[in-house]
Amino acid sequence: QITLKESGPTLVKPTQTLTLTCTFSGFSLSTSGVGVGWIRQPPGKALEWLALIYWDDDKRYSPSLKSRLTITKDTSKNQVVLTMTNMDPVDTATYYCAHTRLLWFGESGTNWFDPWGQGTLVTVSS
Amino acid sequence: SYELTQPPSVSVSPGQTARITCSGDALPKQYAYWYQQKPGQAPVLVIYKDSERPSGIPERFSGSSSGTTVTLTISGVQAEDEADYYCQSADSSGTFSVFGGGTKLTVL
Repeated sequence: QITLKESGPTLVKPTQTLTLTCTFSGFSLSTSGVGVGWIRQPPGKALEWLALIYWDDDKRYSPSLKSRLTITKDTSKNQVVLTMTNMDPVDTATYYCAHTRLLWFGESGTNWFDPWGQGTLVTVSS
Repeated sequence: SYELTQPPSVSVSPGQTARITCSGDALPKQYAYWYQQKPGQAPVLVIYKDSERPSGIPERFSGSSSGTTVTLTISGVQAEDEADYYCQSADSSGTFSVFGGGTKLTVL
């Protein structure tokens, strides 16, 4: 059974850096095709994909947030860490991590998120 | 940036069929995925690779694809199906993931 859980601060001040940790079990990030992604959801709004990291350390970032995001993995600890710099009140959201799989078809790849962690609400306020 | 477009809301009576669409230019080249999210809960995958159903998802959930539009169909809608539904796919190169804006399904 795959489980994931997000941890980190619930409140950050504007301009600060947010560091979130995803701790997982039931799979290994050293297994080919496996990855972990981060997705956020502002209150009452839609899901927004942020970043993901694959078993081979391939890292992908949302083009609109790439300059502010860093994703890393610690395979021995079964953890993935996401940092987001220069936090703003508009970054207030529930942040989710999720297990993902990379599937190649032809010359392209596809991935989906399943399952997800329970999410953690991060509020940005002074 | 690449976008997926969903209708904000769909309403159906119990027992009827609900259809939720998702449109995007890269959908002919990329698979689509569907998630169900109930209030206060994390999203749950209900359809993968356009039309495959994960184990544990009721048979009334199905997916289809035609050109630049994918559709989630819920046959014989039940009250418990009332939720937000999101499509997810990738840009044409498969590099970046993207979610649609979500559709609120109301069971009348």
